[in-house]
Formats: sequence, C-alpha cells, structure tokens
Amino acid sequence: DGGITQSPKYLFRKEGQNVTLSCEQNLNHDAMYWYRQDPGQGLRLIYYSQIVNDFQKGDIAEGYSVSREKKESFPLTVTSAQKNPTAFYLCASRPYSYTGELFFGEGSRLTVL
Amino acid sequence: DQQVKQNSPSLSVQEGRISILNCDYTNSMFDYFLWYKKYPAEGPTFLISISSIKDKNEDGRFTVFLNKSAKHLSLHIVPSQPGDSAVYFCAASGGGATNKLIFGTGTLLAVQP
Repeated sequence: DGGITQSPKYLFRKEGQNVTLSCEQNLNHDAMYWYRQDPGQGLRLIYYSQIVNDFQKGDIAEGYSVSREKKESFPLTVTSAQKNPTAFYLCASRPYSYTGELFFGEGSRLTVL
Repeated sequence: DQQVKQNSPSLSVQEGRISILNCDYTNSMFDYFLWYKKYPAEGPTFLISISSIKDKNEDGRFTVFLNKSAKHLSLHIVPSQPGDSAVYFCAASGGGATNKLIFGTGTLLAVQP
C-alpha cells in the first residue's frame, strides 16, 4: 500500500554530530517537504522540492541540508550547525499541483544529548 | 510574522457537544485552507479543506466555515467524540508556483466522556 515512510522513528545524537533522516514515498508524488514541529510553534517548513534534482529553502533552512536524487526519496541532514536540533521532524508529499493537501509520514523524533 | 494564527492553545468539550476551533490569517492572497488532525508522535492527517470561493464545506461531522472579510475560518465538530481528542492545525496556501502550506500553531482539543 502507498504511503510515506520516515526512518528512524527515534534518534539520539551527540552534539557536534550530523544526522540524516530518511523519507521515502511510493505515491508517485512530485513534490516533497520537510517540516519541523516544536511545542507551541506549529509546523515550520525547512526545505521543499518540487522536482528531482531541485529544492528550495523554507522558512528555517539554516543548519539543514537536503538532496533529491530520486523522485521517491528526500533525505534531510541535520548538521552540527543547527543550534536547536531537538524536535519532531515530519516529511510530506503531494502531487505537483497548485492545490491539495499534503500527505505526511509518521515523523522522526530527534533528541540531541 | 505569524501569517496563520490559532489563538486558543487548548479547548475542552463534553462528549456529544459541539467543538469550535478557530483560525485567523493575515495574508489576503491565501486562497485555500485546510484542517489537519494530529495525535502525539504521529504525522498529521488531513481532515477537510475549503477554497476561498466558498464560505462553507461539510464532511460528515466536520464543517469548515470561511469568513474572507474577517480573514477567519473555523472548524465545527458535531457531535464531539472522545476519539476527536488531538491537536488540530489549520493551514493556508496562496497559490503561485510553490503553493507552500503555512501552518498555525495548533489547538489541543480534549473531548471529555
């Protein structure tokens, strides 16, 4: 069955380490997104990609990097430059269209020790 | 600058009664609005949407109302059930080439049995 798979669900990292969160979708969606959720701040857009080999910064891109080498995959790297990386990270996708809802994965909880 | 605002962090309602969740926006270019429901440690799931050409959209127990002049939308849940207890996010998009979704900060709904 189709959907969005994020892994790992829980991840612990020491300060100064980079970590990569995986996001894979088999919905044949063109556009993919990474959001971050913090308590009381809703969902904030980190990066998005509307087509393979192309991506744009969202509202809080500093300290993050992404790649889009395949239509199905949109991994997010949280670098050591990200000052407050502890958060719940959500990947989403949708068909390339001007309207319509996003389909979300189950999320990844990153905790920096 | 918070373009989409949910001013009530939480709401408590008795089972069987109506739940009304509110959302305000500032950008008059927004033309599509959505509500999402989210349980802890899970991804948000799409509930209902409304285009700016309408002022009401209904789907079962869920109705969304849009007041463009007031830049306000609301989600009505009737009757409320304990399983509706979750965080509800409103989101808006303004069309254009990217059509990013801007999310509010969420309202935690607790439906008491």
